[in-house]
Amino acid sequence: AQSVTQPDIHITVSEGASLELRCNYSYGATPYLFWYVQSPGQGLQLLLKYFSGDTLVQGIKGFEAEFKRSQSSFNLRKPSVHWSDAAEYFCAATRLTGGGNKLTFGTGTQLKVEL
Amino acid sequence: DGGITQSPKYLFRKEGQNVTLSCEQNLNHDAMYWYRQDPGQGLRLIYYSQIVNDFQKGDIAEGYSVSREKKESFPLTVTSAQKNPTAFYLCASSSSGSKSYEQYFGPGTRLTVT
Repeated sequence: AQSVTQPDIHITVSEGASLELRCNYSYGATPYLFWYVQSPGQGLQLLLKYFSGDTLVQGIKGFEAEFKRSQSSFNLRKPSVHWSDAAEYFCAATRLTGGGNKLTFGTGTQLKVEL
Repeated sequence: DGGITQSPKYLFRKEGQNVTLSCEQNLNHDAMYWYRQDPGQGLRLIYYSQIVNDFQKGDIAEGYSVSREKKESFPLTVTSAQKNPTAFYLCASSSSGSKSYEQYFGPGTRLTVT
């Protein structure tokens, strides 16, 4: 079955420190991959996406992610975290089929930023 | 501004009552989706619609119903058959064509049933 795994439920980093959030996927073929961010009580905002090509993708708010086919991973990174980055982060994947675009989400990683 | 609106933001109902959550988009997107979010479980797909007057069940459709009479609107009804309806509900939409895999989300409706 297709699945997306985010191994870390909670992560705490100090403001200014670097950040890496892990995401692994299990699909028959390479899916399209996404990272979304959610502030408390809000909807999801797309940070970045990977479809094909360059394995390092840049997103909004200074985030980037690297696709590694050999590890079935799509980890999210930021060189220097700001207090406003505290939120929940979701990795998601999809393969377009005749049944349409159905995203499979990971269970999320809650990021806390210490000042 | 284009976007997705969900109303109301908070909704309270008594057990045994049906309740309808609104989702409207002005992005001219063909496809619309409903997700349910529970703490620690990520988002789970309830129903989706790729075109007007057509929709399909997602992974957790039991106890829910939808309609898609207009391109802009995709209301979700939480029926009394849904055993655990208290949750955060998110609506999303996507276009057809080359960007149909990118979904945009509304702000969500938090439903509490007591």
